[in-house]
Amino acid sequence: KAGVTQTPRYLIKTRGQQVTLSCSPISGHRSVSWYQQTPGQGLQFLFEYFSETQRNKGNFPGRFSGRQFSNSRSEMNVSTLELGDSALYLCASSPRTGGITEAFFGQGTRLTVV
Amino acid sequence: TQLLEQSPQFLSIQEGENLTVYCNSSSVFSSLQWYRQEPGEGPVLLVTVVTGGEVKKLKRLTFQFGDARKDSSLHITAAQPGDTGLYLCAGAPSNTGKLIFGQGTTLQVKP
Repeated sequence: KAGVTQTPRYLIKTRGQQVTLSCSPISGHRSVSWYQQTPGQGLQFLFEYFSETQRNKGNFPGRFSGRQFSNSRSEMNVSTLELGDSALYLCASSPRTGGITEAFFGQGTRLTVV
Repeated sequence: TQLLEQSPQFLSIQEGENLTVYCNSSSVFSSLQWYRQEPGEGPVLLVTVVTGGEVKKLKRLTFQFGDARKDSSLHITAAQPGDTGLYLCAGAPSNTGKLIFGQGTTLQVKP
Protein backbone atom coordinates (compact mmCIF):
# COMPACT_ATOMS: atom_id res chain seq x y z
CA LYS A 1 0.00 0.00 0.00
CA ALA A 2 1.28 3.43 -0.89
CA GLY A 3 1.73 5.81 2.01
CA VAL A 4 0.47 9.33 2.48
CA THR A 5 1.72 11.63 -0.26
CA GLN A 6 2.09 15.36 0.24
CA THR A 7 2.96 17.88 -2.43
CA PRO A 8 4.94 19.98 -2.76
CA ARG A 9 7.76 19.03 -0.35
CA TYR A 10 9.15 22.55 -0.15
CA LEU A 11 7.61 25.94 -0.78
CA ILE A 12 8.82 29.52 -0.44
CA LYS A 13 6.20 32.26 -0.43
CA THR A 14 6.11 35.98 0.26
CA ARG A 15 4.11 37.61 3.03
CA GLY A 16 0.56 38.35 1.93
CA GLN A 17 0.42 35.57 -0.65
CA GLN A 18 -1.71 32.49 -0.36
CA VAL A 19 -0.71 28.84 -0.65
CA THR A 20 -2.41 25.50 -1.29
CA LEU A 21 -0.98 22.23 -0.06
CA SER A 22 -2.12 18.84 -1.25
CA CYS A 23 -2.43 15.46 0.45
CA SER A 24 -3.31 12.02 -0.90
CA PRO A 25 -4.20 9.62 1.93
CA ILE A 26 -3.59 5.90 2.17
CA SER A 27 -6.06 4.04 0.00
CA GLY A 28 -9.18 3.20 1.99
CA HIS A 29 -8.59 5.82 4.68
CA ARG A 30 -11.46 8.29 4.83
CA SER A 31 -10.09 10.59 7.52
CA VAL A 32 -7.47 13.20 6.72
CA SER A 33 -6.03 15.54 9.33
CA TRP A 34 -3.62 18.43 9.05
CA TYR A 35 -1.02 19.49 11.60
CA GLN A 36 1.41 22.37 11.85
CA GLN A 37 4.83 21.66 13.34
CA THR A 38 7.14 24.42 14.56
CA PRO A 39 10.16 24.30 16.90
CA GLY A 40 8.40 26.47 19.47
CA GLN A 41 4.90 25.02 19.49
CA GLY A 42 5.49 21.44 18.41
CA LEU A 43 2.77 19.59 16.53
CA GLN A 44 -0.57 21.36 16.59
CA PHE A 45 -3.85 20.10 15.15
CA LEU A 46 -5.36 22.22 12.39
CA PHE A 47 -8.43 20.27 11.26
CA GLU A 48 -9.82 16.88 10.31
CA TYR A 49 -11.93 15.91 7.34
CA PHE A 50 -13.98 12.75 7.10
CA SER A 51 -16.06 11.89 4.06
CA GLU A 52 -15.69 15.43 2.70
CA THR A 53 -16.92 17.04 5.94
CA GLN A 54 -14.83 18.97 8.43
CA ARG A 55 -15.23 17.03 11.68
CA ASN A 56 -12.86 18.87 13.99
CA LYS A 57 -11.03 22.16 13.99
CA GLY A 58 -8.04 23.35 15.99
CA ASN A 59 -7.37 26.79 17.36
CA PHE A 60 -6.11 28.51 14.22
CA PRO A 61 -7.34 31.69 12.52
CA GLY A 62 -9.76 31.59 9.63
CA ARG A 63 -6.88 32.15 7.19
CA PHE A 64 -6.32 28.42 7.47
CA SER A 65 -8.90 26.37 5.60
CA GLY A 66 -9.18 23.01 3.99
CA ARG A 67 -11.35 20.69 2.02
CA GLN A 68 -11.64 17.05 1.11
CA PHE A 69 -12.69 15.59 -2.19
CA SER A 70 -14.82 12.53 -2.91
CA ASN A 71 -11.67 10.43 -3.48
CA SER A 72 -10.50 11.43 0.07
CA ARG A 73 -7.69 13.61 -1.25
CA SER A 74 -7.41 16.81 0.75
CA GLU A 75 -6.10 20.31 0.27
CA MET A 76 -5.15 22.92 2.82
CA ASN A 77 -5.13 26.61 2.02
CA VAL A 78 -3.50 29.45 3.90
CA SER A 79 -4.36 32.98 2.81
CA THR A 80 -2.58 36.25 3.56
CA LEU A 81 0.58 34.50 4.67
CA GLU A 82 2.48 35.79 7.68
CA LEU A 83 6.09 35.14 8.66
CA GLY A 84 4.85 33.06 11.59
CA ASP A 85 3.19 30.62 9.20
CA SER A 86 6.61 29.23 8.31
CA ALA A 87 6.42 25.63 9.45
CA LEU A 88 6.32 21.99 8.47
CA TYR A 89 2.73 21.14 7.51
CA LEU A 90 1.90 17.50 8.00
CA CYS A 91 -1.02 15.57 6.62
CA ALA A 92 -2.13 12.35 8.28
CA SER A 93 -4.64 9.79 7.19
CA SER A 94 -6.47 7.43 9.48
CA PRO A 95 -8.77 4.47 8.99
CA ARG A 96 -10.76 5.67 12.05
CA THR A 97 -11.99 2.17 12.82
CA GLY A 98 -12.69 0.54 16.16
CA GLY A 99 -12.91 3.86 17.97
CA ILE A 100 -9.14 4.33 17.85
CA THR A 101 -7.44 7.33 16.29
CA GLU A 102 -4.14 6.39 14.67
CA ALA A 103 -2.40 8.76 12.32
CA PHE A 104 -0.20 7.82 9.39
CA PHE A 105 1.77 10.84 8.33
CA GLY A 106 3.15 12.04 5.04
CA GLN A 107 6.62 13.56 4.75
CA GLY A 108 5.23 17.04 5.10
CA THR A 109 5.46 20.29 3.20
CA ARG A 110 8.10 22.70 4.45
CA LEU A 111 6.65 26.20 3.99
CA THR A 112 8.92 29.20 4.32
CA VAL A 113 7.36 32.68 4.30
CA VAL A 114 9.75 35.53 3.53
CA THR B 1 -7.49 22.30 27.42
CA GLN B 2 -5.94 18.86 27.42
CA LEU B 3 -2.16 18.80 27.47
CA LEU B 4 0.49 16.13 27.31
CA GLU B 5 3.78 16.83 29.07
CA GLN B 6 6.78 14.87 27.94
CA SER B 7 10.00 14.49 29.86
CA PRO B 8 12.84 14.79 29.42
CA GLN B 9 12.92 17.14 26.44
CA PHE B 10 16.47 16.16 25.50
CA LEU B 11 18.47 13.03 26.16
CA SER B 12 22.01 12.26 25.05
CA ILE B 13 23.30 8.82 26.01
CA GLN B 14 25.92 6.27 25.02
CA GLU B 15 25.13 3.18 23.00
CA GLY B 16 24.06 0.33 25.27
CA GLU B 17 22.44 2.46 27.96
CA ASN B 18 18.78 2.19 28.97
CA LEU B 19 16.36 5.12 29.05
CA THR B 20 12.77 5.99 29.86
CA VAL B 21 10.64 8.77 28.40
CA TYR B 22 7.51 9.90 30.21
CA CYS B 23 4.27 11.33 28.91
CA ASN B 24 1.88 12.76 31.51
CA SER B 25 -1.48 14.47 31.56
CA SER B 26 -4.20 15.40 34.01
CA SER B 27 -6.79 14.26 31.46
CA VAL B 28 -8.01 10.83 30.43
CA PHE B 29 -7.33 9.66 26.89
CA SER B 30 -9.21 6.95 25.02
CA SER B 31 -5.94 5.88 23.41
CA LEU B 32 -2.35 7.00 23.29
CA GLN B 33 0.23 6.61 20.57
CA TRP B 34 4.00 6.90 20.37
CA TYR B 35 5.68 8.16 17.23
CA ARG B 36 9.28 8.58 16.11
CA GLN B 37 10.26 11.36 13.76
CA GLU B 38 13.53 11.85 11.91
CA PRO B 39 14.67 15.21 10.51
CA GLY B 40 12.80 16.23 7.39
CA GLU B 41 10.29 13.39 7.68
CA GLY B 42 6.83 12.92 9.11
CA PRO B 43 6.28 11.06 12.39
CA VAL B 44 6.07 7.28 12.12
CA LEU B 45 3.63 5.42 14.35
CA LEU B 46 5.36 2.99 16.73
CA VAL B 47 2.52 1.76 18.92
CA THR B 48 -1.01 2.42 20.14
CA VAL B 49 -2.10 1.64 23.69
CA VAL B 50 -5.76 1.56 24.58
CA THR B 51 -6.36 -0.29 27.84
CA GLY B 52 -5.31 1.10 31.23
CA GLY B 53 -2.26 -0.81 32.50
CA GLU B 54 -1.48 -2.15 29.05
CA VAL B 55 2.14 -3.02 28.23
CA LYS B 56 3.36 -3.49 24.67
CA LYS B 57 6.80 -4.48 23.47
CA LEU B 58 8.42 -3.70 20.14
CA LYS B 59 11.86 -5.35 20.10
CA ARG B 60 13.91 -3.28 22.59
CA LEU B 61 11.11 -0.76 23.16
CA THR B 62 8.54 -1.23 25.94
CA PHE B 63 5.44 0.97 26.11
CA GLN B 64 3.14 1.24 29.10
CA PHE B 65 -0.24 2.94 29.51
CA GLY B 66 -1.10 4.12 33.00
CA ASP B 67 -3.94 2.45 34.87
CA ALA B 68 -6.01 5.65 34.77
CA ARG B 69 -5.21 6.22 31.07
CA LYS B 70 -3.65 9.60 31.84
CA ASP B 71 0.02 8.79 31.34
CA SER B 72 2.40 6.57 29.43
CA SER B 73 6.06 5.66 29.30
CA LEU B 74 8.50 4.45 26.70
CA HIS B 75 11.49 2.42 27.84
CA ILE B 76 14.36 1.59 25.52
CA THR B 77 16.77 -1.15 26.50
CA ALA B 78 20.35 -1.12 25.24
CA ALA B 79 19.89 1.94 23.04
CA GLN B 80 21.56 1.96 19.63
CA PRO B 81 22.54 4.89 17.34
CA GLY B 82 19.64 3.93 15.08
CA ASP B 83 17.25 4.86 17.91
CA THR B 84 18.26 8.52 17.53
CA GLY B 85 15.31 10.76 16.73
CA LEU B 86 12.40 12.75 18.09
CA TYR B 87 9.95 10.68 20.13
CA LEU B 88 6.43 12.01 20.38
CA CYS B 89 3.50 10.85 22.44
CA ALA B 90 0.01 11.70 21.25
CA GLY B 91 -3.35 11.22 22.85
CA ALA B 92 -6.84 11.04 21.48
CA PRO B 93 -9.22 12.63 24.01
CA SER B 94 -12.09 10.68 22.48
CA ASN B 95 -12.82 9.24 19.07
CA THR B 96 -12.66 12.68 17.48
CA GLY B 97 -9.84 12.21 15.01
CA LYS B 98 -7.88 14.90 16.79
CA LEU B 99 -4.54 14.03 18.36
CA ILE B 100 -2.89 16.10 21.06
CA PHE B 101 0.89 15.82 20.92
CA GLY B 102 3.48 16.19 23.62
CA GLN B 103 6.40 18.52 22.93
CA GLY B 104 8.63 15.58 22.12
CA THR B 105 11.84 14.07 23.44
CA THR B 106 14.95 14.44 21.31
CA LEU B 107 17.10 11.36 21.79
CA GLN B 108 20.71 11.16 20.68
CA VAL B 109 22.51 7.84 21.04
CA LYS B 110 26.26 8.11 20.60
CA PRO B 111 28.26 5.14 19.33
